[in-house]
Amino acid sequence: ELKVEQNPLFLSMQEGKNYTIYCNYSTTSDRLYWYRQDPGKSLESLFVLLSNGAVKQEGRLMASLDTKARLSTLHITAAVHDLSATYFCAVDGGSQGNLIFGKGTKLSVKP
Amino acid sequence: EPEVTQTPSHQVTQMGQEVILRCVPISNHLYFYWYRQILGQKVEFLVSFYNNEISEKSEIFDDQFSVERPDGSNFTLKIRSTKLEDSAMYFCASRVGLAWETQYFGPGTRLLVL
Repeated sequence: ELKVEQNPLFLSMQEGKNYTIYCNYSTTSDRLYWYRQDPGKSLESLFVLLSNGAVKQEGRLMASLDTKARLSTLHITAAVHDLSATYFCAVDGGSQGNLIFGKGTKLSVKP
Repeated sequence: EPEVTQTPSHQVTQMGQEVILRCVPISNHLYFYWYRQILGQKVEFLVSFYNNEISEKSEIFDDQFSVERPDGSNFTLKIRSTKLEDSAMYFCASRVGLAWETQYFGPGTRLLVL
């Protein structure tokens, strides 16, 4: 059974601090996706990581992929309140591109 | 910017009733998906649709569920006889192809079965 595990599931941070969210997966997929979800809203695509060693950055968020370790990280630099949301990682679950999601990391950034 | 749209945004129904959730994927996309998210839980894959037929489905997608693309733009999910446990947010998603593009999600339909 394909598994995607995120940790931590809950993260309370102070503004200005750095932290990393981890995503481990059991498939041999070379692609990994990060999404953001605000309460009651849809999923917003943040990053698509396509190969081993891929690194992408957008603002205070940076994502990386190590396919050999089956691990992706989402690093938050100098957190601000606007980053408060739930972050999901996902991998391809089959040949038709359906995604298998982790349980999500609920991030709360406090002043 | 093109986006996936879904209607209705909220639906309340009685147990045993049929519901149809509607989606309009992004126009040049070829792969369509339905997912659901029970409140506070992770997003779960239901079904994928390509070339006018189901291409993959999960264990959740049993005989109570069906999908259809009745015309060139709409993509629907029908639940024939709703159960209490069908209460969830249902997301439609689409993507251009399978190479490297991400999936784009619609805003969701919140279904409440009483």
